[in-house]
Parts: sequence; structure tokens; C-alpha cells
Amino acid sequence: ETGVTQTPRHLVMGMTNKKSLKCEQHLGHNAMYWYKQSAKKPLELMFVYSLEERVENNSVPSRFSPECPNSSHLFLHLHTLQPEDSALYLCASSQDGGAGETQYFGPGTRLLVL
Amino acid sequence: GEDVEQSLFLSVREGDSSVINCTYTDSSSTYLYWYKQEPGAGLQLLTYIFSNMDMKQDQRLTVLLNKKDKHLSLRIADTQTGDSAIYFCAAHQGGKLIFGQGTELSVKP
Repeated sequence: ETGVTQTPRHLVMGMTNKKSLKCEQHLGHNAMYWYKQSAKKPLELMFVYSLEERVENNSVPSRFSPECPNSSHLFLHLHTLQPEDSALYLCASSQDGGAGETQYFGPGTRLLVL
Repeated sequence: GEDVEQSLFLSVREGDSSVINCTYTDSSSTYLYWYKQEPGAGLQLLTYIFSNMDMKQDQRLTVLLNKKDKHLSLRIADTQTGDSAIYFCAAHQGGKLIFGQGTELSVKP
């Protein structure tokens, strides 16, 4: 148990659906991250939030929309996804988002887009 | 930008030592990490090393860093079947973690 939880753990959605992924951290951290893990590819950083402000958007398509209402919660809103968006979506947190900080990961949401 | 490379597979016998290798390209990376991912789970931090260190030992884990060659390795002593997982090397560069593709370690009884 790393102190970072994600729900749901598994999600199947059609290309016209709208769904949201939720991440919650209980570590008192100020920075939160979304990563995408596709088969046989390195983890791809999608978004970084520090103190609820988005500080990084790694050229992610607009069909992925993050939201950080407070430093403990992070959402990823999904709409009109494509089958190639099927992947494991991992959330992580760290103390302040600075250099050298250890990131703690949640268990991930396994997403399948049909 | 930073590029991190790992071999994709490693198979060892239970009780042997495992050595997982990683290379990176940006010599200004400050911290280098090893994460473990078991099937169906997220990433679990195993250990990390600061770039001014050569070696770090933590129980069965030994991390070696050759900064000149930009080479990082993770040695697992007395490898057990429970060590079967994917191991990711990551370099901290410019406020981001850059991950390798992961090495799948298979431990045979």
C-alpha cells in the first residue's frame, strides 16, 4: 500500500462514452501526476499538477482532461476516446514536484476502449 | 532529451543473482530510480541512487552507477520466485521522471 489509491481499477468504455478516473493520495503531498502505460512502451508522462496548478501537459490530446480540485485528489476526464487509448493509467504523487523527489504510484486503472 | 534503455527480458534460476542493466543519455540526471511492477499492479519504488554515488546497498538489492558510461545496474541477490516482475529504471531530469521500457524478470524454480 503506497498511500495512493485509484478508482476504478478496471474500465471498459465505448468511443462515445464519457468517464472519469479518480486518484487520491493520503501522503500530504503537493504534486500529482498522470502517466499512461501502454504495452511494451515506456511510461509516458501526461500531466503534472503542483499545488493544484497544472505545470506540465505533455502534448496530450484534448479528449483527456485533467482536474485537480485540491492537493489530495486528481481526476482524468475521458471523452470520445480511441481504441489506441487503451492502456494502464497510473497516478503518482510526490512532495512538491521538485527535482529528486520520489514519486509514489497508485495501482492504476486498466482502461479498454472498444 | 533524456533516453533510458533497458533489455526487455531476463531469466534466472531461484537462488541465483539477477543483474538488470540500464543506460541513460543525459549526464545531468540527478537521481536514478528502480521501480518494480508486479502483474496487475502499479509501480513500487525499490531503491534510488543520487548521481554523486557509485553504489548503494539495501538488503538483497545493490545498485551500481557508472556515471562515466551512464550505466546503472540493479543486482538482486538470492533471487526468489516472488521477485518475478517487470523492473523499470527511471532518470530524474528537468523535474520529470523518464522511464525505460522495463525488464521482465522471470525466476524459475
